[in-house]
Amino acid sequence: KNQVEQSPQSLIILEGKNCTLQCNYTVSPFSNLRWYKQDTGRGPVSLTIMTFSENTKSNGRYTATLDADTKQSSLHITASQLSDSASYICVVSALITGANNLFFGTGTRLTVIP
Amino acid sequence: GAVVSQHPSWVICKSGTSVKIECRSLDFQATTMFWYRQFPKQSLMLMATSNEGSKATYEQGVEKDKFLINHASLTLSTLTVTSAHPEDSSFYICSASHPGQFYQPQHFGDGTRLSIL
Repeated sequence: KNQVEQSPQSLIILEGKNCTLQCNYTVSPFSNLRWYKQDTGRGPVSLTIMTFSENTKSNGRYTATLDADTKQSSLHITASQLSDSASYICVVSALITGANNLFFGTGTRLTVIP
Repeated sequence: GAVVSQHPSWVICKSGTSVKIECRSLDFQATTMFWYRQFPKQSLMLMATSNEGSKATYEQGVEKDKFLINHASLTLSTLTVTSAHPEDSSFYICSASHPGQFYQPQHFGDGTRLSIL
């Protein structure tokens, strides 16, 4: 069964600190993995997209890693800011025909406090 | 970059009312758009795939007569919640893929918060 699991479910950190969010998946055949940031009451915004051959990808203070062998990904946030408070969603795309090939994690809710 | 616009952003209406939500791709043509529903503290759940010029494909458990989808042009898809009831209150989000972008990242609208009294 194709599934995407994220941990932790929620996280509270102090401003300026680093944190790492985890994503484990069982989606097969694997196409790509995406991390999205969703602010409260807004739609998700893409942070990174990684394919099978990519191990790491950065977008500013966000760095995503991918281990396709263990089917794990992480999103590392450096020097957190108050504006980083949001839900972070891991989405895995399966290499199958048809439109319904995206599998969503339930997200990690990050709260950055001053 | 590609932008998907959703309107309205917030709707409050009485039970029994039908509500139409619009999803537009602003700078690209989207042959396929997707409609999601999101409950508080949960992730997005795909409701249906909207195909330009043809019938939408609904996910299991989603009532096609309740949630009417029309994709009459390459830049506009609409979701109509017919005879809405309080249990239909939710956050509805649409998305579209830019056909020219490799791996087609989903571009999401900002969502519509629907509250049925």
